[in-house]
Amino acid sequence: SQQGEEDPQALSIQEGENATMNCSYKTSINNLQWYRQNSGRGLVHLILIRSNEREKHSGRLRVTLDTSKKSSSLLITASRAADTASYFCATDAIGSNYKLTFGKGTLLTVNP
Amino acid sequence: ETGVTQTPRHLVMGMTNKKSLKCEQHLGHNAMYWYKQSAKKPLELMFVYSLEERVENNSVPSRFSPECPNSSHLFLHLHTLQPEDSALYLCASSQGQELYGYTFGSGTRLTVV
Repeated sequence: SQQGEEDPQALSIQEGENATMNCSYKTSINNLQWYRQNSGRGLVHLILIRSNEREKHSGRLRVTLDTSKKSSSLLITASRAADTASYFCATDAIGSNYKLTFGKGTLLTVNP
Repeated sequence: ETGVTQTPRHLVMGMTNKKSLKCEQHLGHNAMYWYKQSAKKPLELMFVYSLEERVENNSVPSRFSPECPNSSHLFLHLHTLQPEDSALYLCASSQGQELYGYTFGSGTRLTVV
């Protein structure tokens, strides 16, 4: 069954604005990861946050994790047209051993 | 290039054909995966190989047959597919995914006619 579920399904913003995407999941996790996918291409790993971490930064990316609510958010600051892509959260559930479970993704469009 | 190479990039096949998808990684990773990505659906994990042994088979129909001859190569053999099997097939690899996540290939866009 689907573990991660992103919200919103689609988001359209102007260049320079911030974009926030949310992810909810159902079971206890070891870590949660965010990936980016340009149209028709493979996924690219962006950032990983462990279950004992609450916030993590990487460049213009900020990820938060709330294990009590089983939710995470990805914030992209000062967005650029090149950030246009689909963004997926993926969870490494406790006991899953080697496998990640992905959500349906959020399609982000950044208008120049 | 991510270090995971998939061939071919595009494939059109008839329902009676037999074809194979190939995935190759030279990252020294010890686990490899096949995922299926269909429109408006989450990525579906199909198969997992760890140290060349299959550790996961997510109720995938037998018309899909994986093969992992060594830690660098992974194949997906296809035969008598259905139109609903048309999708983007993604290969990924990992080495202790907790640190660096998965590395994906660019995928094979499969169309079954």
